[in-house]
Amino acid sequence: GENVEQHPSTLSVQEGDSAVIKCTYSDSASNYFPWYKQELGKGPQLIIDIRSNVGEKKDQRIAVTLNKTAKHFSLHITETQPEDSAVYFCAASLSGGYQKVTFGIGTKLQVIP
Amino acid sequence: DAGVIQSPRHEVTEMGQEVTLRCKPISGHDYLFWYRQTMMRGLELLIYFNNNVPIDDSGMPEDRFSAKMPNASFSTLKIQPSEPRDSAVYFCASSYGQVEAFFGQGTRLTVV
Repeated sequence: GENVEQHPSTLSVQEGDSAVIKCTYSDSASNYFPWYKQELGKGPQLIIDIRSNVGEKKDQRIAVTLNKTAKHFSLHITETQPEDSAVYFCAASLSGGYQKVTFGIGTKLQVIP
Repeated sequence: DAGVIQSPRHEVTEMGQEVTLRCKPISGHDYLFWYRQTMMRGLELLIYFNNNVPIDDSGMPEDRFSAKMPNASFSTLKIQPSEPRDSAVYFCASSYGQVEAFFGQGTRLTVV
């Protein structure tokens, strides 16, 4: 089955700096890569996603890049704010949706004011 | 819509007892997913339904776990008998087709 590795497990940045979270996947057939943000006491919430026919996608301060050859994908958050503090999960899907999705272990991001 | 609603938010039970977790998906969504979240294993997909029919339960850890979806607006995840290693946060999520899955706030289960 699919295996998703996520690094780092914890990340602290100063407010205004950038944060980068990296993931690798094992199954070259994976074709959908969502990123979720989980705030304390809440369920995960989708923040951005990318499909395998696209190399990069951006939404305001958040961007995701995908390297299919290397089986790497990354989340980039620029101009970080305290409200960005949360746990972020990457995921890879073999089905194009959530039917065959494998999540990474998560990255706890702390933005220091 | 109020989003995916799970109940209870917290459940503490004794080992050997039956536990039932409940989920109301977003109206109109045709997929429903049950996940388990632990520190060691992260988010794991347990089972999912499409149009109320269980499609893949390969993530269900043991026969002690069962899930049902009697109609489009309600699903249950039952553990009988419960064990301490079942302690985790259980999430229900729903989606319409292949797009975004919306998660509920989860049920934190503690088995003592």
